[in-house]
Amino acid sequence: GENVEQHPSTLSVQEGDSAVIKCTYSDSASNYFPWYKQELGKGPQLIIDIRSNVGEKKDQRIAVTLNKTAKHFSLHITETQPEDSAVYFCAALGTGGFKTIFGAGTRLFVKA
Amino acid sequence: ETGVTQTPRHLVMGMTNKKSLKCEQHLGHNAMYWYKQSAKKPLELMFVYNFKEQTENNSVPSRFSPECPNSSHLFLHLHTLQPEDSALYLCASSQGWEGGDREQYFGPGTRLTVT
Repeated sequence: GENVEQHPSTLSVQEGDSAVIKCTYSDSASNYFPWYKQELGKGPQLIIDIRSNVGEKKDQRIAVTLNKTAKHFSLHITETQPEDSAVYFCAALGTGGFKTIFGAGTRLFVKA
Repeated sequence: ETGVTQTPRHLVMGMTNKKSLKCEQHLGHNAMYWYKQSAKKPLELMFVYNFKEQTENNSVPSRFSPECPNSSHLFLHLHTLQPEDSALYLCASSQGWEGGDREQYFGPGTRLTVT
């Protein structure tokens, strides 16, 4: 079945450094790729998304890249801050339907 | 505050109990979802309702029974659960399923413990 692999499962960086989280999806029909941030005691919150007709998208310190040929997409956080510490999930959705396939999550620690 | 509320936030129940989880969205969305989040596992989609009609049932055991009386409310009725059902149950909503409508807004979840 469809799946999304996410790496690494844990990432520790120094404040100010960059963090990169990578995902690979299996369903070539996927065309929407959201990224969610989940803080302790809260539900996931969308932070950025990208559609299959775009290769890169930026929003301040956050960027997402998509390589449709390789079926890879990545989240890049620059100038990390302690408040970026959370669990990050990637996801993939196909055309039509509601089924979202999530990666297993990356726990990011930003050390002050 | 995402506009999606869930009650209760925490629930402890025995295997013979019957309880219900409630979700309400104040966003005017048409689709609502139940997810199960277990430790070290990806979020698992359980059910999807679009305009009050169930569109996805991801092979969920019958001890979980969803109900969607209208587009703003979603319930998950629980009975004769197993300890492995202990998890965080998340509700989400979206405007629809095409283009930008697919952005999902999540509630804070109900932490369920089955004893």
